[in-house]
Amino acid sequence: SAVISQKPSRDICQRGTSLTIQCQVDSQVTMMFWYRQQPGQSLTLIATANQGSEATYESGFVIDKFPISRPNLTFSTLTVSNMSPEDSSIYLCSAQNTGELFFGEGSRLTVL
Amino acid sequence: GNSVTQMEGPVTLSEEAFLTINCTYTATGYPSLFWYVQYPGEGLQLLLKATKADDKGSNKGFEATYRKETTSFHLEKGSVQVSDSAVYFCALSDLAAGNKLTFGGGTRVLVKP
Repeated sequence: SAVISQKPSRDICQRGTSLTIQCQVDSQVTMMFWYRQQPGQSLTLIATANQGSEATYESGFVIDKFPISRPNLTFSTLTVSNMSPEDSSIYLCSAQNTGELFFGEGSRLTVL
Repeated sequence: GNSVTQMEGPVTLSEEAFLTINCTYTATGYPSLFWYVQYPGEGLQLLLKATKADDKGSNKGFEATYRKETTSFHLEKGSVQVSDSAVYFCALSDLAAGNKLTFGGGTRVLVKP
């Protein structure tokens, strides 16, 4: 299994600012992903965080808005840039280990 | 593209009632199917999975059978408890799509004592 810790667990942010979410896994994993869960909706994949190379973004998500880092096999960050109220969501980190996908508890962002 | 459709909630039940949450899917390849559960204030947890047609996944009294002919993966539990109150997500992963998970919209279940 894999235990995933995310920080911050929640935050209230001002419009136009940026926030970086950290994701730490307790073991080395090959694949890490970032999801968004907008209020009352399902999870949408933002990007795959690739170790040592640029993240792979899904349609509708771009690097300038959601820059991602993955410096090693246990850690990744997601930045939500130039935030607007529409970015208010839960952002979840996930990691794939032994064929199973594990999720962090999520970071709940509210943008005023 | 791939998609997952599940019944909308909330579903409100009394303790010991029978629970069914319908889930159907569309996939270009031969997907694996999953049910995830999100308890209040917690992250998603894998509840059960099935990787090929006619497989039955089971865990904590929940069951779901992979039905290729009806492209369905309905979740069932014979006797729910208050502690089963959560949001349940049906999902699929498809090798043709890089094994990325596609989620359904989620179904909130509330079990009353």
